[in-house]
Amino acid sequence: GAVVSQHPSWVICKSGTSVKIECRSLDFQATTMFWYRQFPKQSLMLMATSNEGSKATYEQGVEKDKFLINHASLTLSTLTVTSAHPEDSSFYICSAKGGWDQPQHFGDGTRLSIL
Amino acid sequence: SQELEQSPQSLIVQEGKNLTINCTSSKTLYGLYWYKQKYGEGLIFLMMLQKGGEEKSHEKITAKLDEKKQQSSLHITASQPSHAGIYLCGADWASGGSNYKLTFGKGTLLTVNP
Repeated sequence: GAVVSQHPSWVICKSGTSVKIECRSLDFQATTMFWYRQFPKQSLMLMATSNEGSKATYEQGVEKDKFLINHASLTLSTLTVTSAHPEDSSFYICSAKGGWDQPQHFGDGTRLSIL
Repeated sequence: SQELEQSPQSLIVQEGKNLTINCTSSKTLYGLYWYKQKYGEGLIFLMMLQKGGEEKSHEKITAKLDEKKQQSSLHITASQPSHAGIYLCGADWASGGSNYKLTFGKGTLLTVNP
């Protein structure tokens, strides 16, 4: 149980393109979903927290107009990197939490490379 | 200053040996979570600790949270190559507020030599 699917797993695109990443909880309803960014050989950095049906809460220093988050249902959240540039290249990971007493369960991550 | 310290940064052990990874918080934890990550992949949930003095085990992995809820340890008994990876502790400090977001330690890279 507690499977989180993240898609795509790898994307390469040109600078200026917008890229959408999907995060789905497959066998549970996620009250809260989280988006992280991870640089090589570093830990996870929380970007934003999203609750179904409400606006995402962004961490300090994360541009909300650059990283658009939509949490339209209890099983799906999307992260759109708008007008992506090479500095946005990174490993993005989502997680989903089924309730206050449940741990976060993570997707397999998306490796984004902007040329 | 770092609010969540994880040690050691890396660890190389011989197969069959026991090992311990530590995670120390600068303030009282509401919850402490242990995860394992293979490089370039997602995180696999291992244990969740919320009560002072709590100890949980799964197969050969045991995690403990001290009574003061500021320090946790992850112990692996009779390590195997399959235990290799990056171990991350995640701290929940918000007592249920802030959507239970986690702050992660820098991770411990474990190598198990056959």
